[in-house]
Amino acid sequence: ETGVTQSPTHLIKTRGQQVTLRCSSQSGHNTVSWYQQALGQGPQFIFQYYREEENGRGNFPPRFSGLQFPNYSSELNVNALELDDSALYLCASRFSGGQTEAFFGQGTRLTVV
Amino acid sequence: DQQVKQNSPSLSVQEGRISILNCDYTNSMFDYFLWYKKYPAEGPTFLISISSIKDKNEDGRFTVFLNKSAKHLSLHIVPSQPGDSAVYFCAASGNQFYFGTGTSLTVIP
Repeated sequence: ETGVTQSPTHLIKTRGQQVTLRCSSQSGHNTVSWYQQALGQGPQFIFQYYREEENGRGNFPPRFSGLQFPNYSSELNVNALELDDSALYLCASRFSGGQTEAFFGQGTRLTVV
Repeated sequence: DQQVKQNSPSLSVQEGRISILNCDYTNSMFDYFLWYKKYPAEGPTFLISISSIKDKNEDGRFTVFLNKSAKHLSLHIVPSQPGDSAVYFCAASGNQFYFGTGTSLTVIP
């Protein structure tokens, strides 16, 4: 059984650029969520995908978008990067149905300069 | 609007003693609560959870207590070990997970 893996681990982008972060879900999990963790804060929910459809979204602007693929892997895309987008981006997967924990990847540290 | 709050940013405990981490929430609709541990440069690791139909759940050295009337939960670690030093996040499950801001635990040898 493989865990949740994210790529890349670190990334530096310039303000205004676009970025794509990737996540491979844990085997057997059909739901993936993305979180943004700023320094000194807890993870903030960006959005969630279940069976390739977005089924929940936090308080993030439309320039944050995502995809989930048939193999349950996922992408987070951020357009028009701003300095405040600098954060740790976490992907979490779980099996939807009942009360289940989510398993997190190691995160992607994004720095916008 | 922070629906889950951890009011203690840090906690220091002697090895072998009890660590108590606290968490408060505002939404009475939350029905599932979790604790995660996070080391630097790693993602959060699931530790223990509790359903709202219970008031206690125990797993080895870790026990989570839930007081629904007070909208409060706590994590007890007994005995505390130096390897427990990490940031601990509580989370509440609605249609998404809501996380607190974390408590940094330092266990002093």
